[in-house]
Amino acid sequence: TQLLEQSPQFLSIQEGENLTVYCNSSSVFSSLQWYRQEPGEGPVLLVTVVTGGEVKKLKRLTFQFGDARKDSSLHITAAQPGDTGLYLCAGHPINTNAGKSTFGDGTTLTVKP
Amino acid sequence: DTAVSQTPKYLVTQMGNDKSIKCEQNLGHDTMYWYKQDSKKFLKIMFSYNNKELIINETVPNRFSPKSPDKAHLNLHINSLELGDSAVYFCASSRQDLSYNEQFFGPGTRLTVL
Repeated sequence: TQLLEQSPQFLSIQEGENLTVYCNSSSVFSSLQWYRQEPGEGPVLLVTVVTGGEVKKLKRLTFQFGDARKDSSLHITAAQPGDTGLYLCAGHPINTNAGKSTFGDGTTLTVKP
Repeated sequence: DTAVSQTPKYLVTQMGNDKSIKCEQNLGHDTMYWYKQDSKKFLKIMFSYNNKELIINETVPNRFSPKSPDKAHLNLHINSLELGDSAVYFCASSRQDLSYNEQFFGPGTRLTVL
């Protein structure tokens, strides 16, 4: 059973469209991170959310942490080809070993010019 | 200046061989990790070390043995390689702020077992 489930698994859109990626769990997390991974590279940290209901913005990317700290979303406005990549959410459940993050199964985004 | 580096980038070897992957971080982090990413892109933690001490050891065959000579290095040795070991292996590091656990990843080592 996957602790963090991401949806959709694959997303292919045209440049300029908006999109939202979801990361859901039945567990409560002390924090949640979003990473982007490009082909042939390692994941790169985009943001960390900590407080329930928190919203963070990174240029055209908006990240939200659910009020109960069980889920998160990533919204991209006016997507560009450079946004193409694998988006991973990762969280530290409150009742797990210190330092152990669980990763979601990823959302592969393709933005066509 | 690469923050987390791994060598080699690519590793192609025969079944049954023994191989090692090296990882170094220059971020001054206390915690280092090894992850395995399969063909479906799922990233699964294998090991975690904090100040050279093993703190996480997931269900990984004992053919895999991590070694941390100091807190800036975490190497992975694999004995008797099997076809199912083919994957991309990522090293990562983080500060000891364990509730945040923001990780910095290396570029990965693509292991192919023939």
